[in-house]
Amino acid sequence: GQNIDQPTEMTATEGAIVQINCTYQTSGFNGLFWYQQHAGEAPTFLSYNVLDGLEEKGRFSSFLSRSKGYSYLLLKELQMKDSASYLCAAMDSNYQLIWGAGTKLIIKP
Amino acid sequence: GAVVSQHPSWVICKSGTSVKIECRSLDFQATTMFWYRQFPKQSLMLMATSNEGSKATYEQGVEKDKFLINHASLTLSTLTVTSAHPEDSSFYICSAKFPSPFSGRAQETQYFGPGTRLLVL
Repeated sequence: GQNIDQPTEMTATEGAIVQINCTYQTSGFNGLFWYQQHAGEAPTFLSYNVLDGLEEKGRFSSFLSRSKGYSYLLLKELQMKDSASYLCAAMDSNYQLIWGAGTKLIIKP
Repeated sequence: GAVVSQHPSWVICKSGTSVKIECRSLDFQATTMFWYRQFPKQSLMLMATSNEGSKATYEQGVEKDKFLINHASLTLSTLTVTSAHPEDSSFYICSAKFPSPFSGRAQETQYFGPGTRLLVL
């Protein structure tokens, strides 16, 4: 079956760095997405990886290893506004997104 | 970027009434739209996949007769919650998909609407 695993909750300190891991098992693979969702709001797109390696976009970076079925989202210089849920989603061979349950990130001053 | 709108953003209704939620893709044609439901402190749950001009595909456990989906045009899909009950109170979110994941904005294959918060009394 298809499955996405990510931690339920993480806590980090303002100004620090945090890495949110995601492992996936899908029927075929067409890319790995990360979305951010603030409480009470719809998800917003953060990143997309389809090739192995690190994609950097400002304070956020996303890494993919296709052979290991593994991705992580790296957030640097954490700000209080980064407190949100981070959703990992893998695209299968039918171009359907398989969603993880999300990781709630709590930022403490 | 592409925009998806939802209407209404908030709805409060009495138990037993029906509620219609609209999802529109504003600057692109979406052959496929998705309807999600999210209960407090839980992740997104896909309810159904809506393809323009054909019947929606419902996820296991989602009642077709209760959650009516119509995707009559390339820019509009509607979700009607029939005979709503308090347990249907939730955050309903739609997303719209680009016709091809590799046309231009490959990174954002699903654009989400802002969501509709439904409260059934």
